[in-house]
Amino acid sequence: QVQLVQSGAEVKKPGASVKASCKASGYTFTSYGISWVRQAPGQGLEYMGWISAYNGYTNYAQKFQGRVTMTTDTSTSTAYMELRSLRSDDAAVYYCVRRSAAGTSQFEYWGQGTLVTVSS
Amino acid sequence: SYMLTQPPSVSVAPGKTARITCGGNNIGSKSVHWYQQKAGQAPVLVIYYDSDRPSGVPERFSGSNSGNTATLTISRVEAGDEADYYCQVWDSNSNQAVFGGGTKLTVL
Repeated sequence: QVQLVQSGAEVKKPGASVKASCKASGYTFTSYGISWVRQAPGQGLEYMGWISAYNGYTNYAQKFQGRVTMTTDTSTSTAYMELRSLRSDDAAVYYCVRRSAAGTSQFEYWGQGTLVTVSS
Repeated sequence: SYMLTQPPSVSVAPGKTARITCGGNNIGSKSVHWYQQKAGQAPVLVIYYDSDRPSGVPERFSGSNSGNTATLTISRVEAGDEADYYCQVWDSNSNQAVFGGGTKLTVL
């Protein structure tokens, strides 16, 4: 079965960077991309972008361009999301997600989330 | 960029039918997906491509999409259906997923 297991909670100071990981199992990692979605406390879901695990191609939401980098390590079936220059409003749970199948647009598989706290 | 509008809250008595709407400009021309998120948990896909159900999702959950409104319908509502519900589409202009603001379903 498809599983996405994310790294643990992080506490960062404003201006710092955070790098969350997402280890995939139960499928051929390079056959699907990984997207990242975040959720601030008490707020809704916000799409951040996508990375192809096949060739590393990325597509970031405009809001995060210049501040986010998504990468993958095919040797360990792990995806990473690094967000730089953290602000207080970046405090959120960050989810890695996978679509049902290539070419589809729904997010069927979700990691458990990584809580990022930004505090001085 | 494309925007989706959901009512902040919907309340329904057990056994009744809940309808949660998702408004967007000509949303009927897009594929709409719905997620259920219970407190402290990751979202779960409950409807995809307007009206399809993933395996394991009860038949009580159904969806429709036409014109400027998509609707998630939950029949014979149970206490366990209490959750936040989000609609989502893919915006081809910005090449990104767009989520509605979410609707909190309260079972009275």
